[in-house]
Amino acid sequence: SQTIHQWPATLVQPVGSPLSLECTVEGTSNPNLYWYRQAAGRGLQLLFYSVGIGQISSEVPQNLSASRPQDRQFILSSKKLLLSDSGFYLCAWSARQILNTEAFFGQGTRLTVV
Amino acid sequence: AQTVTQSQPEMSVQEAETVTLSCTYDTSESDYYLFWYKQPPSRQMILVIRQEAYKQQNATENRFSVNFQKAAKSFSLKISDSQLGDAAMYFCALSALVKEYGNKLVFGAGTILRVKS
Repeated sequence: SQTIHQWPATLVQPVGSPLSLECTVEGTSNPNLYWYRQAAGRGLQLLFYSVGIGQISSEVPQNLSASRPQDRQFILSSKKLLLSDSGFYLCAWSARQILNTEAFFGQGTRLTVV
Repeated sequence: AQTVTQSQPEMSVQEAETVTLSCTYDTSESDYYLFWYKQPPSRQMILVIRQEAYKQQNATENRFSVNFQKAAKSFSLKISDSQLGDAAMYFCALSALVKEYGNKLVFGAGTILRVKS
């Protein structure tokens, strides 16, 4: 069966510090991978999505970047965090080229920038 | 570009009653699917129901059904016989096949549903 791992679950970082959130998927190949951010009580904002190694589509100009060094690994990074980067970050995967497939989400990372 | 709009930040329903959550969307792609996801306080995302854009028949899953109006780009969710466990944030989502980039899954802002006993 497929599983998705996302870590860490909680993170408190000072302004100006770097960030690295990691997401890995098991039990599937060539997945679509997504990073979303959810501000408190708000919707899911699509940040990045990827259809393959090294193929990243950025949705919102921001202080963050994403990389996909391996087929089932998706990393969200920042060189210098801003207060506005605080939020709940969710990684998700879905089967590539299959539109009706549901997306499967990680447990999320609650990031607080202080 | 794909956009999903949920204009109801919060809704309330009495237990056992029916409630409808609204959603409109926009996409230039001809091949797409629509979804409703539920996010309880645990923050886990749970698929509620999905609709194929090329099917006119509205999808139904037990107490959950949709009203899909393709021309109007409207996709509402009806919850019948509401239960306390239905209380959650509900997200409308659009999955479209974007050339060269594969599936792009976009969510709306969400609607918080409160169920009163």
